[in-house]
Amino acid sequence: NAGVTQTPKFRILKIGQSMTLQCTQDMNHNYMYWYRQDPGMGLKLIYYSVGAGITDKGEVPNGYNVSRSTTEDFPLRLELAAPSQTSVYFCASTYEDIGGQYFGPGTRLTVT
Amino acid sequence: GIQVEQSPPDLILQEGANSTLRCNFSDSVNNLQWFHQNPWGQLINLFYIPSGTKQNGRLSATTVATERYSLLYISSSQTTDSGVYFCAVAVGPGGYNKLIFGAGTRLAVHP
Repeated sequence: NAGVTQTPKFRILKIGQSMTLQCTQDMNHNYMYWYRQDPGMGLKLIYYSVGAGITDKGEVPNGYNVSRSTTEDFPLRLELAAPSQTSVYFCASTYEDIGGQYFGPGTRLTVT
Repeated sequence: GIQVEQSPPDLILQEGANSTLRCNFSDSVNNLQWFHQNPWGQLINLFYIPSGTKQNGRLSATTVATERYSLLYISSSQTTDSGVYFCAVAVGPGGYNKLIFGAGTRLAVHP
């Protein structure tokens, strides 16, 4: 199993541009999560999904959108990128709502 | 909302030394996890430990949920233990495992 994969690894965006961060897991996990990590800080939950077609907001959802059309994929969309969205973005998954989460390698995003 | 506090914020060890990292949380939680973020940024799940004690090699963890704290023990530290250790707690009715992270303990192990 590849586990949780994320693409791209790095990206530089100009203010106002849009992009989609991709996340795929091959462990048949129902629960998937997007976090952001600002320098020197812990992670903060952006959005999560408990299954295909079901998503909900986390702690810091403003400026982001998600969709979950399949069990495997959970893309994160940034519309109108702002410098405040410069961060490292992590995707995670778990089989059930109580259990250890498995993280992807992260996407480092810079908005200038 | 719930507060998660980790101590110490920074720790420097000589290889072979032991250490204890602490995580305090301000309210009841559904579960608690410890993560290691290595110098390359990868997050590794160390323990899923809502209560009790677990051990994995040189690492062990204890959570006392009634007193709202958890401890991570590292014995005979190695340079590969360097990185940031995060405690994260899960809250919310019905689970959903929405993790709230502490600020982390930054560990440097010198040879």
